[in-house]
Amino acid sequence: DAGVIQSPRHEVTEMGQEVTLRCKPISGHDYLFWYRQTMMRGLELLIYFNNNVPIDDSGMPEDRFSAKMPNASFSTLKIQPSEPRDSAVYFCASSLSDSNQPQHFGDGTRLSIL
Amino acid sequence: LAKTTQPISMDSYEGQEVNITCSHNNIATNDYITWYQQFPSQGPRFIIQGYKTKVTNEVASLFIPADRKSSTLSLPRVSLSDTAVYYCLVGDPRGYQKVTFGTGTKLQVIP
Repeated sequence: DAGVIQSPRHEVTEMGQEVTLRCKPISGHDYLFWYRQTMMRGLELLIYFNNNVPIDDSGMPEDRFSAKMPNASFSTLKIQPSEPRDSAVYFCASSLSDSNQPQHFGDGTRLSIL
Repeated sequence: LAKTTQPISMDSYEGQEVNITCSHNNIATNDYITWYQQFPSQGPRFIIQGYKTKVTNEVASLFIPADRKSSTLSLPRVSLSDTAVYYCLVGDPRGYQKVTFGTGTKLQVIP
């Protein structure tokens, strides 16, 4: 089975540009999570969705960050405008709502803002 | 949310058994304990999950004492490929409220 698929794997862009990260969850999973990982702050949950509906976005750092899930098989995390401090690895994960089901992570997008 | 505390790093020789302990003093009744493994340039990967006593799978064992205020991940006979960061998480998997990844334990396996 295909796992969580994220694209692009690497993104380098200049400050002020819009960045869009993409995620395809595992088919049938009804929870989707976006995380950010940095050396300083570790792995932080930004937002998560259940059945395409955002449930908790309290981890989104600023209004420059937005996330959408237009359907069960696709989600985007957008940063506009981007800043150097947004440089990090962004992970998407998905899971089933059944009790005890773990999250399955993609391999992440390494984002560098110059 | 239950806060977890783990050692920042550990070293072990190949072939040894490694035990990583996680403290979670304010674990709630509905909380489960989940361990993930993360290799460089990859996302975290689920290893094992438990509620109480002992859980064993093909990769690891998880020991949870009766008071559930701590848990120990046991990796039998580690190899160089087990070098990774190991995260202990505590939370209620039913609601998927924010479970927090702590700093994790960086395990270095030495030849």
